[in-house]
Amino acid sequence: NAGVTQTPKFRVLKTGQSMTLLCAQDMNHEYMYWYRQDPGMGLRLIHYSVGEGTTAKGEVPDGYNVSRLKKQNFLLGLESAAPSQTSVYFCASSYSDRGEPQHFGDGTRLSIL
Amino acid sequence: GQQLNQSPQSMFIQEGEDVSMNCTSSSIFNTWLWYKQDPGEGPVLLIALYKAGELTSNGRLTAQFGITRKDSFLNISASIPSDVGIYFCAGQGAGGTSYGKLTFGQGTILTVHP
Repeated sequence: NAGVTQTPKFRVLKTGQSMTLLCAQDMNHEYMYWYRQDPGMGLRLIHYSVGEGTTAKGEVPDGYNVSRLKKQNFLLGLESAAPSQTSVYFCASSYSDRGEPQHFGDGTRLSIL
Repeated sequence: GQQLNQSPQSMFIQEGEDVSMNCTSSSIFNTWLWYKQDPGEGPVLLIALYKAGELTSNGRLTAQFGITRKDSFLNISASIPSDVGIYFCAGQGAGGTSYGKLTFGQGTILTVHP
């Protein structure tokens, strides 16, 4: 009964370091999304994918890259971390875009020093 | 881009009181969703609304999809301590070009005093 699993749960980076956040879903969902959550701003879409091998930019894509090599996995990369990227990152997935609700992971809390 | 205004930003209530929160948008949405987020966890879906004017209940929760398709409200009746958390509204556009993308409100932080 895993649903959407995010790893790691916590991470502290120094400015300029790189890292990859992993999202895995076991519901055979086509659509996957990466959001960041900052105080008072709700969740903002970074990138999304409508299927294996496809990715697209969301509302706040700058400084991030993504890959969807396998249907069940959606990776979010930070090539050169900046303090402004300190946030809580959430991955979500949904079966389709026809009004299907998105299911969220428990988040990755990332701090950039 | 599309924006959702959610209010109030926070609420402090006594156990047993009813709660009401709402979201308004400058754009039309085809689907309205209400999520709850507990500390350290991701948002969990509470109610989904698919038709203008639709009124849907889930236990003590009731939500409505505004007739103009630009607003929605969520009511919680007889609040209990476990209702504490952050409540988010989210609007979803039509399929095709929107790819199911959600636009989130800023959230309502609910505190319930026993």
